[in-house]
Amino acid sequence: DAKTTQPPSMDCAEGRAANLPCNHSTISGNEYVYWYRQIHSQGPQYIIHGLKNNETNEMASLIITEDRKSSTLILPHATLRDTAVYYCIVRVTNAGKSTFGDGTTLTVKP
Amino acid sequence: DTGVSQDPRHKITKRGQNVTFRCDPISEHNRLYWYRQTLGQGPEFLTYFQNEAQLEKSRLLSDRFSAERPKGSFSTLEIQRTEQGDSAMYLCASSLDRTGGGNQPQHFGDGTRLSIL
Repeated sequence: DAKTTQPPSMDCAEGRAANLPCNHSTISGNEYVYWYRQIHSQGPQYIIHGLKNNETNEMASLIITEDRKSSTLILPHATLRDTAVYYCIVRVTNAGKSTFGDGTTLTVKP
Repeated sequence: DTGVSQDPRHKITKRGQNVTFRCDPISEHNRLYWYRQTLGQGPEFLTYFQNEAQLEKSRLLSDRFSAERPKGSFSTLEIQRTEQGDSAMYLCASSLDRTGGGNQPQHFGDGTRLSIL
């Protein structure tokens, strides 16, 4: 699986959009981009995933660049409960394992 | 959807003892995964099952570790002769693998936190 690079930490004001970047410059054509988040003392929570096109669900939007070498997770109106570690991973179709990096610690401030 | 359930949530034991953890996946999910997570790090893959078959094991899974999924439903992870370095959060995840059906996310439980005294 390709490696990903994320900033170690970010801050965001409550009510504003949080934009979390991820670089995956060695991504292969059959690898999906997944985003998870982990709140203290809980397991990772699936947020969204995509292959080429931008995706949106009730939690977030995922923007993938045309060359697929980077992506951005957007939380449109961050709340204090969105404070968590956010992981970006890439994973081959129907692969077993997911390879997690150290993620981005997002702190949403009032 | 009751989610992935793990038991116990916390386990404290003395070095050298054996411990066993249980994971109950989401009911229709045919894949089950085990990960280990230490403080400040992302989860590290240990092993995964497709139904009852163990398809991949990480080099992290030493001879003291064994995982089973005897009937393709729940799974157990056993650690024999525990060591200080085994202290970690052990996470279980499950997913539904549909042949030709694209990529399905893994759904995680809240883990078992193991502390070795």
